[in-house]
Amino acid sequence: EPEVTQTPSHQVTQMGQEVILRCVPISNHLYFYWYRQILGQKVEFLVSFYNNEISEKSEIFDDQFSVERPDGSNFTLKIRSTKLEDSAMYFCAEEDYGYTFGSGTRLTVV
Amino acid sequence: GIQVEQSPPDLILQEGANSTLRCNFSDSVNNLQWFHQNPWGQLINLFYIPSGTKQNGRLSATTVATERYSLLYISSSQTTDSGVYFCAVHSGGYQKVTFGTGTKLQVIP
Repeated sequence: EPEVTQTPSHQVTQMGQEVILRCVPISNHLYFYWYRQILGQKVEFLVSFYNNEISEKSEIFDDQFSVERPDGSNFTLKIRSTKLEDSAMYFCAEEDYGYTFGSGTRLTVV
Repeated sequence: GIQVEQSPPDLILQEGANSTLRCNFSDSVNNLQWFHQNPWGQLINLFYIPSGTKQNGRLSATTVATERYSLLYISSSQTTDSGVYFCAVHSGGYQKVTFGTGTKLQVIP
């Protein structure tokens, strides 16, 4: 079964550094999403992306965050200046009669 | 926004036992999904079930949208069923889903 691939699987970064998380969707789906899960907590919506534009974003998705689809296939989430509280598991997802989530990137900010 | 509550929050089962997990939501929904988060953190889609009943092997799910709840049944549980089970709902005109609080299941041999 096709998978949504995320890289890296784990990233450790220093506070204040920029990180880019990458996602390769299966293909040709209209909606893409980023979610995050702080350890031990529930999964939270960050942003939805439709037709190469942000269609919806949460309060968490402030000016430090951005999303892009730089080459029409890969899908990135950038955090410009990481904070300790950005430490979480980040998931991308796509939708086609239900969500398919990527394997996640565990981000640790130290 | 919509509230999604799951019960019980924690559950310990002996291998082979059956269980029912519940998801209550505070408003009407367009659809509902159940996910299993395994011990490695991966989210696996179990069911896409806006209404009615579906079965997949030892798992089945029922959603009664008019009464704002969904149930996930696990029969003959196995240790590989351990993890956290989330329901997630689409509501209103939004494409995002709102996740429930989760049920952490531990199946012991």
